[in-house]
Amino acid sequence: DTEVTQTPKHLVMGMTNKKSLKCEQHMGHRAMYWYKQKAKKPPELMFVYSYEKLSINESVPSRFSPECPNSSLLNLHLHALQPEDSALYLCASSPLPSNQPQHFGDGTRLSIL
Amino acid sequence: ELKVEQNPLFLSMQEEKNYTIYCNYSTTSDRLYWYRQDPGKSLESLFVLLSNGAVKQEGRLMASLDTKARLSTLHITAAVHDLSATYFCAVGEETSGSRLTFGEGTQLTVNP
Repeated sequence: DTEVTQTPKHLVMGMTNKKSLKCEQHMGHRAMYWYKQKAKKPPELMFVYSYEKLSINESVPSRFSPECPNSSLLNLHLHALQPEDSALYLCASSPLPSNQPQHFGDGTRLSIL
Repeated sequence: ELKVEQNPLFLSMQEEKNYTIYCNYSTTSDRLYWYRQDPGKSLESLFVLLSNGAVKQEGRLMASLDTKARLSTLHITAAVHDLSATYFCAVGEETSGSRLTFGEGTQLTVNP
């Protein structure tokens, strides 16, 4: 069982829809991350929140909007996505400051029609 | 820009054989991580290597780090089918949070 919980596990949406991905952890970690992973590729970092503040945005298009309501929750709001945005979206968390590894959730598999 | 190169990208092994996966990176770092990913699953942390000469072992897997050569290795001893997965190395950077740069991954298949 993963300690980082992501919902939903699967999501199919049209290009005009608005949806949100959710991530939750109760390990007391103060850094949370969103990654995008295409098939047979490594995860690509999208956003990093440190102490609930956005610290890294890897030039992600504005159709992806992250939100960190509190230290346990991380959301990714989606709007007007493109077919090329279909991918596995992984959430991760880690302690701060620390060299401990990031803990990953099981991901949300997103398909854009 | 930090670059992380893994090789080989594909590895087909017979059971009971030994092999090594290599991870080279381009800038100084003393934080290196190995992850395993099964098809359709998330990433599982295998090893954390934090200093030059660090060696960690778990079962049939052993990881090492040479920060001077900017090289980490993941050695597989007497492979078994259950080790079939994709293995990623990832290098940590000292920025806000813990930015990781991943290698391309090594897709390992262990054949009976």
